[in-house]
Amino acid sequence: DAKTTQPPSMDCAEGRAANLPCNHSTISRNEYVYWYRQIHSQGPQYIIHGLKNNETNEMASLIITEDRKSSTLILPHATLRDTAVYYCIVRPFNNAGNMLTFGGGTRLMVKP
Amino acid sequence: GAGVSQSPRYKVAKRGQDVALRCDPISGHVSLFWYQQALGQGPEFLTYFQNEAQLDKSGLPSDRFFAERPEGSVSTLKIQRTQQEDSAVYLCASSFLGTGSGDEQFFGPGTRLTVL
Repeated sequence: DAKTTQPPSMDCAEGRAANLPCNHSTISRNEYVYWYRQIHSQGPQYIIHGLKNNETNEMASLIITEDRKSSTLILPHATLRDTAVYYCIVRPFNNAGNMLTFGGGTRLMVKP
Repeated sequence: GAGVSQSPRYKVAKRGQDVALRCDPISGHVSLFWYQQALGQGPEFLTYFQNEAQLDKSGLPSDRFFAERPEGSVSTLKIQRTQQEDSAVYLCASSFLGTGSGDEQFFGPGTRLTVL
């Protein structure tokens, strides 16, 4: 049973902001929102995570709605190297060994 | 810096052969995960180790799949009597403790297994 819903694909112009949406309407109080990406022929790479506040790091920003039922990953200035599949994942934070449950992700194509 | 490494990167096996896939996690990482990724799909969890203890093997698809981490460092995923449906990329990930918040998993490049 899918816990997150993402559009299967998106395009973005190089240098523009890429906004990737994710719905997680059944998220529990003890679950964080995580984002990973997978560039072709590589393993997934951690991007960012959050609970209920907006978060920013050197890679991206994460905006979580007040009801926590959806979020948006923002790549402020997309480059060609950001072309990848982006996975939104909800994950509990209070148990050791929590595996990541990946959905289909969003295939982001950054175009020149 | 040293990340998670996996070997071999590519493996071709004839149906019925046994294969062994190796994962070298980041030094000092307690938790180790194996995932299977079919073509065009997201990775799916197979099994989890905390040090040498295999705490969760609920994702292993059949008893032909076996994983071990005898000294709490290097791990091996073994598949016996391979079938065509075993063809996939096998990903290994490690994390410092794996207790959730902020403890992200670092993935290796994967081993692409093709069963003919």
